[in-house]
Amino acid sequence: DGGITQSPKYLFRKEGQNVTLSCEQNLNHDAMYWYRQDPGQGLRLIYYSQIVNDFQKGDIAEGYSVSREKKESFPLTVTSAQKNPTAFYLCASSRGRMTSGSFSYNEQFFGPGTRLTVL
Amino acid sequence: AQSVSQHNHHVILSEAASLELGCNYSYGGTVNLFWYVQYPGQHLQLLLKYFSGDPLVKGIKGFEAEFIKSKFSFNLRKPSVQWSDTAEYFCAVNADGNQGGKLIFGQGTELSVKP
Repeated sequence: DGGITQSPKYLFRKEGQNVTLSCEQNLNHDAMYWYRQDPGQGLRLIYYSQIVNDFQKGDIAEGYSVSREKKESFPLTVTSAQKNPTAFYLCASSRGRMTSGSFSYNEQFFGPGTRLTVL
Repeated sequence: AQSVSQHNHHVILSEAASLELGCNYSYGGTVNLFWYVQYPGQHLQLLLKYFSGDPLVKGIKGFEAEFIKSKFSFNLRKPSVQWSDTAEYFCAVNADGNQGGKLIFGQGTELSVKP
């Protein structure tokens, strides 16, 4: 069954701890993304990666880190430097495509999310 | 900077009423446009998308949206809502040529349908 999995579903963190959220996809998609969802603010992009061993900061990257060692996996670490980490975290992926001689991306598919709470 | 605005934060309708959710974006170039829906307890899923061609696009579950380039808008419509349409709806934009397929999301509109 193809899709995106995220684990854990719920995560509790103590102040000062780093935690890592897992995201795996078996869709053979090129690009992967991490978003943060807060009530009334929509989704905001944290980091994204177009290929293995490469990634770029999104709009709210401070206090977060990522890696992309395999095409299928894009884990997100929430560090102790993130001032307000309590949120719902969503991972997504998309396939690249060529149209009219230029490269872009299809729609994004989302995982079920991880709800992180700082105690 | 690019931005997406959804003017309705919470909409309450009775079953069979018509729905229109507004979405405006700020970007002058070529854009790809999306509406996503998040049902309670479920994944964010794609309702419909616009890349090019006919500006009136049809999606799943009877939803449609119209891209009006001159108004920078991509409003979502459904002629008759059902209780099962209760969800949060997000408009999203990707600027063509924007590296990596990044999406800019609106703030979301919560739709509550009364049976």
